[in-house]
Amino acid sequence: GQQLNQSPQSMFIQEGEDVSMNCTSSSIFNTWLWYKQDPGEGPVLLIALYKAGELTSNGRLTAQFGITRKDSFLNISASIPSDVGIYFCAGFNGNKLVFGAGTILRVKS
Amino acid sequence: SQTIHQWPATLVQPVGSPLSLECTVEGTSNPNLYWYRQAAGRGLQLLFYSVGIGQISSEVPQNLSASRPQDRQFILSSKKLLLSDSGFYLCAWSPGPGANVLTFGAGSRLTVL
Repeated sequence: GQQLNQSPQSMFIQEGEDVSMNCTSSSIFNTWLWYKQDPGEGPVLLIALYKAGELTSNGRLTAQFGITRKDSFLNISASIPSDVGIYFCAGFNGNKLVFGAGTILRVKS
Repeated sequence: SQTIHQWPATLVQPVGSPLSLECTVEGTSNPNLYWYRQAAGRGLQLLFYSVGIGQISSEVPQNLSASRPQDRQFILSSKKLLLSDSGFYLCAWSPGPGANVLTFGAGSRLTVL
């Protein structure tokens, strides 16, 4: 089946640092999504990407839909303590959303 | 605006007991509905999805079943729970054909003892 490879698995960074994570796939997706999940809650959508090459920002977050439609990255600038959580990439093809395994972000204040 | 409700929020059940988790969506019609399971706080596994009343697609063989008795109601069930059914269950919806952003409920934490 379709799989997304998300990296890194976890990050432990200093407050104020920039963060970068990415997802790759052997399959083509027509939409890439990035979600954040806080402990004990459902994932919340951060950014949606619909076109190959698209670069989209949401506050301190920037994400890009790769030209090949097989990859995407998410950058967080100037991280703050509330950025902690699990970040998921997800690719949509048809009626199903396929998720990466997640990147656990921990921020040192 | 659309909202999604999922209950119960937490559940502790003995092995062999039945299960029913319910999810409802308000403020939309004919949504696509989904059940995901998340084990150990990591990746989300798609269990079932539905594009309409009575239409259920199963993604993985398992001890669970899903039903959609009404347009905006999605139920996850089991006749006899296993220890391995423990996890965090998430319901989600999307606006339907061609729409590809999922909105998740708050989740249901199931512990099977």
